[in-house]
Amino acid sequence: AQSVSQHNHHVILSEAASLELGCNYSYGGTVNLFWYVQYPGQHLQLLLKYFSGDPLVKGIKGFEAEFIKSKFSFNLRKPSVQWSDTAEYFCAVILTDSWGKLQFGAGTQVVVTP
Amino acid sequence: DAGVIQSPRHEVTEMGQEVTLRCKPISGHDYLFWYRQTMMRGLELLIYFNNNVPIDDSGMPEDRFSAKMPNASFSTLKIQPSEPRDSAVYFCASSSPLFRVTGGPSSYNEQFFGPGTRLTVL
Repeated sequence: AQSVSQHNHHVILSEAASLELGCNYSYGGTVNLFWYVQYPGQHLQLLLKYFSGDPLVKGIKGFEAEFIKSKFSFNLRKPSVQWSDTAEYFCAVILTDSWGKLQFGAGTQVVVTP
Repeated sequence: DAGVIQSPRHEVTEMGQEVTLRCKPISGHDYLFWYRQTMMRGLELLIYFNNNVPIDDSGMPEDRFSAKMPNASFSTLKIQPSEPRDSAVYFCASSSPLFRVTGGPSSYNEQFFGPGTRLTVL
């Protein structure tokens, strides 16, 4: 069965530190890739998405992600985090032959300390 | 656009009662998804519709759960009877395909999520 794996369940870091969250998927076909963020008490919001083309994707709030097809990975990065980046981050994959069914990873809780 | 609209935002009910959650997708979106989020199980896809037709309901936990989409602008998720273990945040999301080709879409746009309904069953 296809799956989405996020390597870290909890990450704690200080403001100005760099952040990298890992995401791997297990599917050999064409995929659409997404990172969503959920701030405390809020709904999921899209950070960035990848469909095709340049594998380095830039999203909102200074986030970027790199699609490495050979590694089935789509890791999220931010060079310098802020306290307001405290949230849960979800990697998600749509298999393009799945009629739009989004598969989420388990999420990574990120806490940024002042 | 107002985005995906869900109601109620909070629902507190007693075990055994019927609960109905409502969702209005973004106009023009022809996919609608219902998710459940709990601390223990994370985000779970319950069911999704395309053009008002249920495509995959394999995530619906039990016969106590049912969902309908009578038209393109409205969907309901009903739990009858409700149980304490149904307590969760229920999200509705909608999307539209990015491209349409013969035989089906070849690529998909992101899903837009509603604010969620926080359900507490006592």
